[in-house]
Amino acid sequence: EPEVTQTPSHQVTQMGQEVILRCVPISNHLYFYWYRQILGQKVEFLVSFYNNEISEKSEIFDDQFSVERPDGSNFTLKIRSTKLEDSAMYFCASLFSGPSGKTYNEQFFGPGTRLTVL
Amino acid sequence: LAKTTQPISMDSYEGQEVNITCSHNNIATNDYITWYQQFPSQGPRFIIQGYKTKVTNEVASLFIPADRKSSTLSLPRVSLSDTAVYYCLVARNRDDKIIFGKGTRLHILP
Repeated sequence: EPEVTQTPSHQVTQMGQEVILRCVPISNHLYFYWYRQILGQKVEFLVSFYNNEISEKSEIFDDQFSVERPDGSNFTLKIRSTKLEDSAMYFCASLFSGPSGKTYNEQFFGPGTRLTVL
Repeated sequence: LAKTTQPISMDSYEGQEVNITCSHNNIATNDYITWYQQFPSQGPRFIIQGYKTKVTNEVASLFIPADRKSSTLSLPRVSLSDTAVYYCLVARNRDDKIIFGKGTRLHILP
C-alpha cells in the first residue's frame, strides 16, 4: 500500500538555526499539506499546496515558514530561525482528489518528524 | 467549516462495542462527515466517511440520522490496540484542510 514518508524522524536543532523537513507524498496525489502537533495538544493546520503554489495557510504559517516542491516527488517545509516554541511533531499529508476520487478529505498522513529546538 | 462536539474521553473494555457520538448542528447540505484515528506518536489515519444513513467498512460503522446533525462512530469488539484519539470532522470540499478538534481519547482496558 502506498504511503507518505517523512525524513528525518527526529531533528534536534539550536534556536535560531534553519531546518528543512522533507516529505515524499503518494505519487499520484495532487494536494499536499503540512500540519503540526505540539506535545499534548491538537493537530494544527499549517499550509496546503496545490499546482505548485500555496492554496491556503494558517496564522501560524508566517514568514518564518516556507514550502517547496523542488521536484516531482519531494515536498519540503523550511523553518528559518527556529524558536523554542517550534518544537512539535510535523506531519505531512497528501490527497488524491482526482477525477476518480470519491472520498472527501481522505488525507494520507506521514509518520511525522519530531522537531526539538534547544 | 461546521463545528463539531464530541466527548473528551471514553473508557471501554476489550471485546465491547464502542460508540462515539459527534454533534455537528450546523452541518451544511454539501458537507461530508469524516472520522480519523490517531495513535500516540503517529499521524492521523482516515477511518470512515459518510453523508447519510449508514456506512460500514472493515474497521468501523458510521451511523448518520436523517437530520445529519450528529453521527456515531461504532467500533465493534474493540481490542487494546484501539486505544487512540478519534476525531470527527465535516468537510465540504474534497481538498479542504482538516481542522482537528481535541477529539475523543478512547482508552481500552483489559
